[in-house]
Amino acid sequence: DTEVTQTPKHLVMGMTNKKSLKCEQHMGHRAMYWYKQKAKKPPELMFVYSYEKLSINESVPSRFSPECPNSSLLNLHLHALQPEDSALYLCASSQEAGTGAHEQYFGPGTRLTVT
Amino acid sequence: GQSLEQPSEVTAVEGAIVQINCTYQTSGFYGLSWYQQHDGGAPTFLSYNALDGLEETGRFSSFLSRSDSYGYLLLQELQMKDSASYFCAVRDDGGYQKVTFGTGTKLQVIP
Repeated sequence: DTEVTQTPKHLVMGMTNKKSLKCEQHMGHRAMYWYKQKAKKPPELMFVYSYEKLSINESVPSRFSPECPNSSLLNLHLHALQPEDSALYLCASSQEAGTGAHEQYFGPGTRLTVT
Repeated sequence: GQSLEQPSEVTAVEGAIVQINCTYQTSGFYGLSWYQQHDGGAPTFLSYNALDGLEETGRFSSFLSRSDSYGYLLLQELQMKDSASYFCAVRDDGGYQKVTFGTGTKLQVIP
């Protein structure tokens, strides 16, 4: 199984809402990533978890809060977002953060709209 | 900072060969990867070069010259389904885990 799943596929939320994005993989990968992608732009790295520990935070605003409950799951908790946070949020995983890390497997993404 | 430049758009005819270039400036370098992304879809890994030279995977080949900070993706026998965006990506001095994507090239294959 080489699939990364993400839920929900689409999410519309108000600026005062709290919501969570979920990501799951069953490939035994030990590194998991959150990316943000705006239309016609490349994915931008937000967070990296390696062996369930947060290893990289790309100066992401605190209204985005990642969580890695176990080696297969990755969550992104959203609170008090701004309209400019509307984007496609992609989850990815790789074998590990070292030698196998050059090949990342991406989920289909969550299309987030903040109203 | 890190920067990877690609042509924004390329158009090619079905059955032809097309080359998508990527030039990069990074403080450290651990290899160059290529990803394909169809509209509305997820990026899909295509190839990886850690050393100079050409890597071939079916209709797709990727080349790297570390001395020139340059690489390219070569697509042969183009098919309509190859119409997509293509991104180069590097692992840089932020650590082995940090991946920076290039600006992306939208390839349009025409009949």
